[in-house]
Amino acid sequence: KAGVTQTPRYLIKTRGQQVTLSCSPISGHRSVSWYQQTPGQGLQFLFEYFSETQRNKGNFPGRFSGRQFSNSRSEMNVSTLELGDSALYLCASSSGRGAYNEQFFGPGTRLTVL
Amino acid sequence: GIQVEQSPPDLILQEGANSTLRCNFSDSVNNLQWFHQNPWGQLINLFYIPSGTKQNGRLSATTVATERYSLLYISSSQTTDSGVYFCAVMNYGGSQGNLIFGKGTKLSVKP
Repeated sequence: KAGVTQTPRYLIKTRGQQVTLSCSPISGHRSVSWYQQTPGQGLQFLFEYFSETQRNKGNFPGRFSGRQFSNSRSEMNVSTLELGDSALYLCASSSGRGAYNEQFFGPGTRLTVL
Repeated sequence: GIQVEQSPPDLILQEGANSTLRCNFSDSVNNLQWFHQNPWGQLINLFYIPSGTKQNGRLSATTVATERYSLLYISSSQTTDSGVYFCAVMNYGGSQGNLIFGKGTKLSVKP
C-alpha cells in the first residue's frame, strides 16, 4: 500500500506571495492533518480534515487555510507569505478521527520564504 | 493543554551501546506514538503504544499510562539510528484530537 505523498517536496517563494501544498493520504484513510515544523517552535498542529470538513484547527492566523476533496486528498494554502512561514510542512493521514487511530506522516514540503 | 517532555534532549552513543529515551506527559492519553525523523525530515512510525509494551527488532517501547510516561529502548545501536526521536500524544480532552509533540531527543551514534 502506498504511503502518504506530498507535493511539491521543496518550494521557494518570496514575501507576499501565496502557496498551495498538496497531500494524498494512504488509500482508504479519511482523516488528514497538517503540521508545521520549525527549529524554534517544533512541531505544531495546523488543522484536521475528515469527510471534507475541517474538524479541528490549531492556533495559526487566518492566512493558513485548507480543504479536503471527496477522494480525501487535501490541500493547504498560505496567503501573503511572511519570512516566518519558512518551515517543513507535514501532513498525516489516519483511517478515522480521533486518538484511537495511528497517524502516518508524509515526507513533507520544505517551504523557504525569501 | 497537555504537556509532553522528552529526555534527554541530546544523546551521543558509541555504536553497539544501548539507550533509553523517556517521554513524560501531563494528562491521560488515548494515543501515544514514537517517531524517528530521518535526515530528510520524514517522520517514520516506530510504535503506536498508548499502553503496554511492544518490541520491533532492536527497538522496544513501554508506556505506563497510570504513571504518565513512556520509554523507548534502543539496543545495540547503529549509526543509522542517528536522528531525532519524537514522542507524540493525543487525547480528546486536552488536545482536541490532534497530536502534541515533545521537543525530541537528538541521538548521534558514532562508529
